[in-house]
Amino acid sequence: SQKIEQNSEALNIQEGKTATLTCNYTNYSPAYLQWYRQDPGRGPVFLLLIRENEKEKRKERLKVTFDTTLKQSLFHITASQPADSATYLCALDPNGNNRLAFGKGNQVVVIP
Amino acid sequence: GAVVSQHPSRVICKSGTSVKIECRSLDFQATTMFWYRQFPKKSLMLMATSNEGSKATYEQGVEKDKFLINHASLTLSTLTVTSAHPEDSSFYICSARRGLTNTEAFFGQGTRLTVV
Repeated sequence: SQKIEQNSEALNIQEGKTATLTCNYTNYSPAYLQWYRQDPGRGPVFLLLIRENEKEKRKERLKVTFDTTLKQSLFHITASQPADSATYLCALDPNGNNRLAFGKGNQVVVIP
Repeated sequence: GAVVSQHPSRVICKSGTSVKIECRSLDFQATTMFWYRQFPKKSLMLMATSNEGSKATYEQGVEKDKFLINHASLTLSTLTVTSAHPEDSSFYICSARRGLTNTEAFFGQGTRLTVV
């Protein structure tokens, strides 16, 4: 069956450190992979999109890698800040038509 | 970035009644919108794809007669939960795609539905 797995345990991290989240998927061949941020009681907010032929993408303090052989994406927040505390969702777009399949999300708590 | 507005943000209704949720793209035209449902501590689950001027496409296991979708204009899609039951209580979120080529999805702020 198709799965998108993110760590269910919250990641507690000291301010200023780098937070690294993992997204593993099985039985998908996504053309794109996306990362979203979701705050409690709110809709997701787009952060980064990476294509299957891209190894790495950066945006400000965020970095995403995409390994189609390992079927894994890593999401990094460098120099983390308390405002980065949220749940981060991995989403696959297998057919490039925005019918997204989401992981459960991984909560990040940045401790001042 | 593009703005998608969802209304209402919270609604409480009695069992057996129907509730309509609106999703509007405020600064772009969206030929396609998507409706998701999210239960606590669970992932967003795609319910249906809303196509302007045509019938919605529902995901497997989603009852089309229970969750009526109308996409009458390029900026508005509505989801009506008919004959609501307590198990329909959930967080409903819409998203819209701005262009025909693959781009990021723009999500509404979500609607918390509580059926009592």
